[in-house]
Amino acid sequence: DIQMTQSPASLSASLGETVTIECRASEDIYNGLAWYQQKPGKSPQLLIYNANSLHTGVPSRFSGSGSGTQYSLKINSLQSEDVASYFCQQYYDYWTFGGGTKLELK
Amino acid sequence: EVQLVESGGGLVQPGRSLKFSCAASGFTFSDYAMAWVRQAPKKGLEWVATIIYDGSSTYYRDSVKGRFTISRDNAKSTLYLQMDSLRSEDTATYYCARHTTEFFDYWGQGVMVTVSS
Repeated sequence: DIQMTQSPASLSASLGETVTIECRASEDIYNGLAWYQQKPGKSPQLLIYNANSLHTGVPSRFSGSGSGTQYSLKINSLQSEDVASYFCQQYYDYWTFGGGTKLELK
Repeated sequence: EVQLVESGGGLVQPGRSLKFSCAASGFTFSDYAMAWVRQAPKKGLEWVATIIYDGSSTYYRDSVKGRFTISRDNAKSTLYLQMDSLRSEDTATYYCARHTTEFFDYWGQGVMVTVSS
């Protein structure tokens, strides 16, 4: 099974700041990676797929990058509505999620 | 607008069964694979099962194989999950999700299942 490791597990950032969340796969997943946002008490929402493609309606301040086993999600100019947990998910071999990153405002 | 609405969760004793459903609208249900993804309280997400567009193939995570059954009724645009021999570790919110067979592009609001005596 492919394991997905996210870091950090939590972070605190200020409004307007740029935030980066990392996701490492236990083996090469060939860009088969998606990112989700889950706001408190809500269901997850797709942000990015194929490592760097923005899902419909997702603000352009979100971006994804990476290759091989290392991927990242970047949020430019942090907004209050970005307070949420973020999860990566690989789909190269079945489907597994990272443990999540909880983003709070400083 | 894609909508997925789950119903049927609740409290159930260990070893018992539970079945719930997900009503889909806003897209051609029979064109898409569908999945169940769960989230234990204050934990991460865990894929549970997937069924392809016509129901001819299903996939399960190892821990639920032989206990859970995913099914669909394309005429009713409805997805189901039959859970048998429930364990405490099955306690979670279960989300219905549209599955591109790669990522999950739309999610329902979730249904809570608590397995406890």
